[in-house]
Amino acid sequence: AQSVTQLGSHVSVSEGALVLLRCNYSSSVPPYLFWYVQYPNQGLQLLLKYTTGATLVKGINGFEAEFKKSETSFHLTKPSAHMSDAAEYFCAVSETGGYNKLIFGAGTRLAVHP
Amino acid sequence: SAVISQKPSRDICQRGTSLTIQCQVDSQVTMMFWYRQQPGQSLTLIATANQGSEATYESGFVIDKFPISRPNLTFSTLTVSNMSPEDSSIYLCSVPTAGGTEAFFGQGTRLTVV
Repeated sequence: AQSVTQLGSHVSVSEGALVLLRCNYSSSVPPYLFWYVQYPNQGLQLLLKYTTGATLVKGINGFEAEFKKSETSFHLTKPSAHMSDAAEYFCAVSETGGYNKLIFGAGTRLAVHP
Repeated sequence: SAVISQKPSRDICQRGTSLTIQCQVDSQVTMMFWYRQQPGQSLTLIATANQGSEATYESGFVIDKFPISRPNLTFSTLTVSNMSPEDSSIYLCSVPTAGGTEAFFGQGTRLTVV
């Protein structure tokens, strides 16, 4: 069975600092991996995804993530945090071969302070 | 991208009553998904709604509690029946992209049961 573990339910960074949100997954088949962002009182928005090919994927708003099969990780990073990045971030996994149900991690709430 | 419209956006309901949530998509999709996000929690898949067949429920969710309709390829409803305060959650509708590798989410329905 697939599962996702997000280390750190709350992360706080200063504006301009590096953002690192950790995600580890478990899957018996090659996974599709996703990061979604949820702003207060809004739905989920896709930040980026890994399906196949290049293991470093770039998404919207300056975020990127690297798929590391050996570490079963898909950590999300951004070089310089902005106040507008404050939100809840969810890592998710699904099986390859077309869309299947998404398995979400518990989420990480990112706070950005001046 | 798909545009997903959910109604109502929020509601406060009395325990013991039922609420039907509507999900309208601006394009035809084979599968539609219903998720629940309990307060402070991640998203959990309730069921997959397939047009022309009964919905497929995930472990822990039953049709009597969460009946789903899927009358056509652009519309689905989720009913939360005989509500209790434990049903207070955000309910989200989701559809896969045309390529099937990711999902779009509606804005969600914020349900409070008193």
